[in-house]
Amino acid sequence: AQTVTQSQPEMSVQEAETVTLSCTYDTSESDYYLFWYKQPPSRQMILVIRQEAYKQQNATENRFSVNFQKAAKSFSLKISDSQLGDAAMYFCAYRSAADGLTFGKGTHLIIQP
Amino acid sequence: SQTIHQWPATLVQPVGSPLSLECTVEGTSNPNLYWYRQAAGRGLQLLFYSVGIGQISSEVPQNLSASRPQDRQFILSSKKLLLSDSGFYLCAWSVLKGAGNTIYFGEGSWLTVV
Repeated sequence: AQTVTQSQPEMSVQEAETVTLSCTYDTSESDYYLFWYKQPPSRQMILVIRQEAYKQQNATENRFSVNFQKAAKSFSLKISDSQLGDAAMYFCAYRSAADGLTFGKGTHLIIQP
Repeated sequence: SQTIHQWPATLVQPVGSPLSLECTVEGTSNPNLYWYRQAAGRGLQLLFYSVGIGQISSEVPQNLSASRPQDRQFILSSKKLLLSDSGFYLCAWSVLKGAGNTIYFGEGSWLTVV
């Protein structure tokens, strides 16, 4: 079974600084996708960014980018120019050909003004 | 554009009472539908998913059941709630089955069993 590990229960960053959230996963499959979701206090899960395992190029969405290391099974999220609205729980998730997502336990991101 | 709605947003139910959470998707046809649960301080756990009307797959054996009476409607039910059923429940959808299709979530429902 696939597992997703987020080793940082909580991270804190100053506004306008850069922060990196870590995620590792375990799988024996070669075709899969990785996602980062954001869960603000409203509790709705919002897609931040996704990465196809077959692509070597790291995905980027505005201030959000990933560092995908397939051999190391690592998928970290970098948030540049942190804003107060970035404060939330961030979940790393894995999806293979089978249905459903496997989630990590999340990282609580605090933005210091 | 596609939207997903679930209700009620908040529910307080006594132990042993029934449960019905509803979810509907608009703006798409034949979506894959999912129910997830998020216990306090934890990530999300997949409970059920459906690839079509009347087709339900259960990921975790438990006190809950799911039904899909219409193409874009997904219902989570229980005949008798347990204290351990408390949590945050999220309905979700995706366009097609497969790893590449993003799963999108509804607003969630808070269930407290007392």
